[in-house]
Amino acid sequence: DIQMTQSPSSLSASVGDRVTITCRASQSINHYVNWYQQRPGKAPTLLIYAASTLHAGVPSRFSASGYGTDFTLTITSLQPEDFATYYCQQTYSIPPVTFGGGTKVEIK
Amino acid sequence: QVYLVESGGGVVQPGRSLRISCAASGFDSSSHGMHWVRQGPGKGLEWVAVIWSDGSKTYYADSVRGRFVISRDTSKNTLYLQMNTVRAEDTGVYYCARDRSDGSYGGDYWGQGTLVTVSS
Repeated sequence: DIQMTQSPSSLSASVGDRVTITCRASQSINHYVNWYQQRPGKAPTLLIYAASTLHAGVPSRFSASGYGTDFTLTITSLQPEDFATYYCQQTYSIPPVTFGGGTKVEIK
Repeated sequence: QVYLVESGGGVVQPGRSLRISCAASGFDSSSHGMHWVRQGPGKGLEWVAVIWSDGSKTYYADSVRGRFVISRDTSKNTLYLQMNTVRAEDTGVYYCARDRSDGSYGGDYWGQGTLVTVSS
């Protein structure tokens, strides 16, 4: 199975900060990475698919990049509604689909 | 507008069975694969199963293979997860998610989830 390792597991940031979350795959997965946001008590929502493509309706302050084993999600100018947990997911090798452990973004 | 609504969760005793459902609307369900993903209390996301858009393939996580069955009724636009011989570790919120395509691209729209609690 392909392991997805996210870092950091949590971070504290202020409104307006730039935040970067990384995800490393245990083997090359080309561009088959999705990023999700999960607000407390809510279902996950898709932010980014195919490593760098913004899902419909997602604000442009979210961006992502990467290929192979190393991927990043960046939030420029953090907004109050962005405080949430973020997950990466690989779909290169199914089964299983695997998620990273999550990164909780908290208010400093 | 894509809508996914899960139902059927509740309290079930260890070793017993439960079937949860996901009603889909707003898209042609025969054109998309569908996933089940669960989240234990205070834990991260765990993929459970996928069914291909044409129903030709189903895949499962090791933790549920042989106990859970994913299926769909395209005439009713409904996805199911039959959960047999449940264990305490199956407790959590179960989400259905529409795949971006046939089943191999991950979920682009998710339901609100249904809570399954395995307890005696």
